[in-house]
Formats: sequence, C-alpha cells, structure tokens
Amino acid sequence: AQSVAQPEDQVNVAEGNPLTVKCTYSVSGNPYLFWYVQYPNRGLQFLLKYITGDNLVKGSYGFEAEFNKSQTSFHLKKPSALVSDSALYFCAVRDEEADKLIFGTGTRLQVFP
Amino acid sequence: KAGVTQTPRYLIKTRGQQVTLSCSPISGHRSVSWYQQTPGQGLQFLFEYFSETQRNKGNFPGRFSGRQFSNSRSEMNVSTLELGDSALYLCASSLGIWDGHTEAFFGQGTRLTVV
Repeated sequence: AQSVAQPEDQVNVAEGNPLTVKCTYSVSGNPYLFWYVQYPNRGLQFLLKYITGDNLVKGSYGFEAEFNKSQTSFHLKKPSALVSDSALYFCAVRDEEADKLIFGTGTRLQVFP
Repeated sequence: KAGVTQTPRYLIKTRGQQVTLSCSPISGHRSVSWYQQTPGQGLQFLFEYFSETQRNKGNFPGRFSGRQFSNSRSEMNVSTLELGDSALYLCASSLGIWDGHTEAFFGQGTRLTVV
C-alpha cells in the first residue's frame, strides 16, 4: 500500500534560519507527491506538487521541495523562515490504485522571532 | 468568488446521536471529498463524490455516509456517534475528479465533539 511518513511531530526554527520539514514515501510506480499547509482555524492550502521532471519543485510562499528517489524522500524547505510560516504541514501521496490522496500525520512548524 | 463553505463550524453531540455536516463547494466545482482530521492520525479519507455519485470510499464503518446533490453541495452523516468520532471534518472541492493533478480547495472544517 502507498504511504507517507512525517517523522517529526514538531519542528522549531528561529526566524531567518532555513527550515526543513521531512517526508518519506512508499509507493509502487511513479510517485505523485504534494505538500499542504494548514493555518490555525483554516482549511488546508496547496503548497506544491511533484509529478515528474525537476527534482526541485518550487511552490507558494517561497517554499520548495526536493524529490529524492533513492532516499524516497520529499522534504519541504525554505531558505529563510518567517514567524508567519508557523502552521501545520502535511505531506501527501497519490494512491493510484485506491484512487485517493493519502496524507501524513502532519508536522507542526513553529518559527520563533 | 466564494470559497468552500462548511456548516456548522462547531458541533457538540452526545454518544449515540447522529449528525449531518454540510459542504458547499466552489461554484462550478463538481467534486467534493471528505476527510477526517485527528491529532496523531492526520487526515483520513472518507469519500469522494463527483456529479452526485460516490466515486471512492475510505476505510470507515458504515455509520459514515454521504451524498451529493445536483447543485454539487454535499452532506455527510454519522450515525450512532462514538467518542472516537470527535474530529475536524474537512471537505475539499475541485473542478473535476480530484486526482491530485488538479487543485483542490479545502473548507475550514466542522469541529465535531462527541461527549
């Protein structure tokens, strides 16, 4: 079965520092990978996706993600964190067989001033 | 244009009762997906409706059901509520079938508390 894992429940980073939120996946076939963000009292918002092509995917709000096939990872990154980036981040993978998106358990990002 | 609207925003129910949640998708969108969000479990897929037909269903008991109307509005129903049903229920709307290639837009969710 397809799955994603987000090994960190929470990531803390100081404002201005680079941030990384980790995601690993397990799929048969080509992976379709996504990152979503959830701000407090808001629904999920799409950040970026990897379907095929360049391993470095650029998304909204200055975020990017690096697809690494050998390590089966799709880590979310940002060069310089902002306090306003504090939110819950979800990695997701497309399960072609089950015809649905499977989400990870989420990682809470806390950016301190 | 208006976003995805979920009503009510908050709900408190007693064990054994039933509940109906509503989701109005973005105008013109024909697909509505429902997810249950709980701490530690993340988002669990419930079902997806497209043009009034249930396309797919997640691994939830039969107490969880849904439907979609001709105007694309969707409802989900949970009967015989259990404490473990307490969660944030999110719906996502997309123009066509949500296969990940098309973008989906989420509502703010309905926070259900079962006491």
